[in-house]
Amino acid sequence: DGGITQSPKYLFRKEGQNVTLSCEQNLNHDAMYWYRQDPGQGLRLIYYSQIVNDFQKGDIAEGYSVSREKKESFPLTVTSAQKNPTAFYLCASSTRQGGTEAFFGQGTRLTVV
Amino acid sequence: AQKVTQAQTEISVVEKEDVTLDCVYETRDTTYYLFWYKQPPSGELVFLIRRNSFDEQNEISGRYSWNFQKSTSSFNFTITASQVVDSAVYFCALRGSILTGGGNKLTFGTGTQLKVEL
Repeated sequence: DGGITQSPKYLFRKEGQNVTLSCEQNLNHDAMYWYRQDPGQGLRLIYYSQIVNDFQKGDIAEGYSVSREKKESFPLTVTSAQKNPTAFYLCASSTRQGGTEAFFGQGTRLTVV
Repeated sequence: AQKVTQAQTEISVVEKEDVTLDCVYETRDTTYYLFWYKQPPSGELVFLIRRNSFDEQNEISGRYSWNFQKSTSSFNFTITASQVVDSAVYFCALRGSILTGGGNKLTFGTGTQLKVEL
């Protein structure tokens, strides 16, 4: 079935360690997005990519990095520079046509201890 | 810059009541797109409805309807005859157009928690 796969669903890391969240899609979408969700703060855009080998910072990019080497994959690295990394992370993809909806993965809940 | 505001943090209704979720947006794009998503407790966002900026016709789809008013930059969403299964967090979202410089950025509001009780 076509869709977006985020793995793992739950992730625990020690403070100071970098961690990479996986996002894979088989929908043949050009655009991909990463969001962070904290209680009461909605979805905040971290990074987005409209095409392979290109990406733009969102509203809260500090402490995060991404790559887009393949159309299907858009991994997010939470670096040790991110001061409060514990959150729920959602990945999405869509076509580049603005009127089409984005499809979301099931999310990764990251806990840093 | 894009911004989406959902002033209602939480709404509680009794089953079968109608409920309207408010959304106000800001954008400099001349062409843009508006969406409503639902997030059940499982966490995955589910697409509900969309509207293009150049089409202000309001529509009804089953129990869902929406009121898009460009003059007030509002895109409100109504659930008619609410059900317990409608309980979720609802997000309004705005997407710019690459044709008019919006760059496909997809911005969400802070969400409204809807609780439908028996």
